[in-house]
Amino acid sequence: QVQVVESGGGVVQPGRSLRLSCAASGFTFRNYAAHWVRQASGKGLEWVAVISSEGSKKYYGDSVKGRFTISRDNSKNTLYLQMDTLRTEDTAVYYCARDPGPAGYMDVWGKGTTVTVSS
Amino acid sequence: IQMTQSPSTLSASVGDRVTITCRASQSVNAWLAWYQQKPGKAPSLLISKASSLEIGVPSRFSGSGSGTEFTLTISSLQPDDFATYYCQQYNSYPYSFGQGTKLQIK
Repeated sequence: QVQVVESGGGVVQPGRSLRLSCAASGFTFRNYAAHWVRQASGKGLEWVAVISSEGSKKYYGDSVKGRFTISRDNSKNTLYLQMDTLRTEDTAVYYCARDPGPAGYMDVWGKGTTVTVSS
Repeated sequence: IQMTQSPSTLSASVGDRVTITCRASQSVNAWLAWYQQKPGKAPSLLISKASSLEIGVPSRFSGSGSGTEFTLTISSLQPDDFATYYCQQYNSYPYSFGQGTKLQIK
């Protein structure tokens, strides 16, 4: 079935780096754009980044621009989020989501992976 | 673009008709989606392009609006509908979500 599965979350100290992965299956990954969206505990959704289907176009939310990098490997059906210079306020559940377009919205979501930034 | 939902919390009963409003700080044309999220779960897409119901979503859900004001209506609440609802604009980067509306049982 169509699904995306995140991995790579964990506990990391402020200022350190972490890379999240998102494995796609059940659809032709290279044909779809993909997003990362995060949610701090008890808070709302925050859009993080999007990458085009071929990987040439990338856009970021203001709070992560310059620190996070979205990328993909279509040969491995995998989306990535490289998170550098992490801050305590980056603590959240990070969701990977498929974009059915490129449209700008998300039609298939993973269950999320938890990132905790703490000393 | 700032997205503001109202109300933040809504108490209603099974069978009620409810409406959630989403306002954008500038026009997003019709590039607006609605999501439902239940506790501990990922969001799920309900509506795209302001009023296009996602396949498999019950017809009691409907969306309307354009420009800066949008609504999500549930015509007759069912027990499974008690959840948090988010709007999201995808007219321009950075994309943004509303703060959410928690729909709870009265």
